[in-house]
Amino acid sequence: SAVISQKPSRDICQRGTSLTIQCQVDSQVTMMFWYRQQPGQSLTLIATANQGSEATYESGFVIDKFPISRPNLTFSTLTVSNMSPEDSSIYLCSVLKGGYEQYFGPGTRLTVT
Amino acid sequence: GESVGLHLPTLSVQEGDNSIINCAYSNSASDYFIWYKQESGKGPQFIIDIRSNMDKRQGQRVTVLLNKTVKHLSLQIAATQPGDSAVYFCAENRNYGQNFVFGPGTRLSVLP
Repeated sequence: SAVISQKPSRDICQRGTSLTIQCQVDSQVTMMFWYRQQPGQSLTLIATANQGSEATYESGFVIDKFPISRPNLTFSTLTVSNMSPEDSSIYLCSVLKGGYEQYFGPGTRLTVT
Repeated sequence: GESVGLHLPTLSVQEGDNSIINCAYSNSASDYFIWYKQESGKGPQFIIDIRSNMDKRQGQRVTVLLNKTVKHLSLQIAATQPGDSAVYFCAENRNYGQNFVFGPGTRLSVLP
């Protein structure tokens, strides 16, 4: 398994501002993912973050809105830029271990006012 | 991105009964499936997985059944306990390790 921490655990932000979410893993992993989970809904993949290359974004998500960094094999950040109330969600990072098993962090609960 | 579901279906079971949570997946090319449990305020927790070359896999108190003919996955929880109350998601995977797609989720409520 993997132990994953995220910072902050929650935040309330004003519209138009940006928030950077950090994800730390207790071991080196090749693939890290960022998901969004809107209230009462399922998880939607935002992007895949691989160390040493640009993040790969899913349809509907763009780098200007959700820039991602992956400076090493244990850490990644997701920035939610120019926030609006529609960005209020839980943001989750996850990693792959053992090839196929995916483990999630506790999530960052974001509220945009 | 893909997202489905506006309202989570709910399954209510008596403590001690068996629970069956169902999931219809979308892509016949999916080759790996995972069930996750998400408790309130936490990230999804891995429960059990199954590969497409299997039709059944058992864990501790949980069994996953895969019917590729009708693209259906189920999670059976034996002797359901209050601690099993959570939202359960199935996830399908293509290309072994990338592009997980999550189902809409089912809320399991265990009644005393």
